[in-house]
Amino acid sequence: GAGVSQTPSNKVTEKGKYVELRCDPISGHTALYWYRQSLGQGPEFLIYFQGTGAADDSGLPNDRFFAVRPEGSVSTLKIQRTERGDSAVYLCASSLGGPLSGANVLTFGAGSRLTVL
Amino acid sequence: GNSVTQMEGPVTLSEEAFLTINCTYTATGYPSLFWYVQYPGEGLQLLLKATKADDKGSNKGFEATYRKETTSFHLEKGSVQVSDSAVYFCALPGITAGGTSYGKLTFGQGTILTVHP
Repeated sequence: GAGVSQTPSNKVTEKGKYVELRCDPISGHTALYWYRQSLGQGPEFLIYFQGTGAADDSGLPNDRFFAVRPEGSVSTLKIQRTERGDSAVYLCASSLGGPLSGANVLTFGAGSRLTVL
Repeated sequence: GNSVTQMEGPVTLSEEAFLTINCTYTATGYPSLFWYVQYPGEGLQLLLKATKADDKGSNKGFEATYRKETTSFHLEKGSVQVSDSAVYFCALPGITAGGTSYGKLTFGQGTILTVHP
């Protein structure tokens, strides 16, 4: 597609429920990133995929968070047993090139706003 | 690891005023540096970047110079417009254990700019 697409744009759920957030990156972009942005803060890194594999998952806050990218394109961020503190905007970004290119520009999606009641 | 410190906002200016938003960084080596912008209701997007020391990035009348002596990448614009009202983020890529820069970005906390007519 022309840009990074994220669905849903808004998700309201109850504490303890399971949530999936989807990201469809720009076609041909091999690198995919998930970030979380809380109100008034900069985006915080969660996980980075190079192709199908998670090359760096050091930002995942705990084992309730998991992400997959089975075919090297679409990615799903999964959150189990949601907590009120998980409320944030979850951003997905993709970029060209291999994993060792710090000059690559990331193209971000519009984000998925998660609210846990 | 690499880190970035951004001036705390918010910043409120009148149209045609001069803008400076300060950003300083701590990094191994000389990674690329970025400014991203988030307009109201829109996703995060690249504003400008500089890939090596003494480079000047520019776009939409904004400029930032990569200064290794002061480890700074301050954002400037000579005459702001109402349409520049947005949140601005300074960012730099991560660093692997082997010292190679890669695309995982660390963001500052963001500076809210409001421009009044």
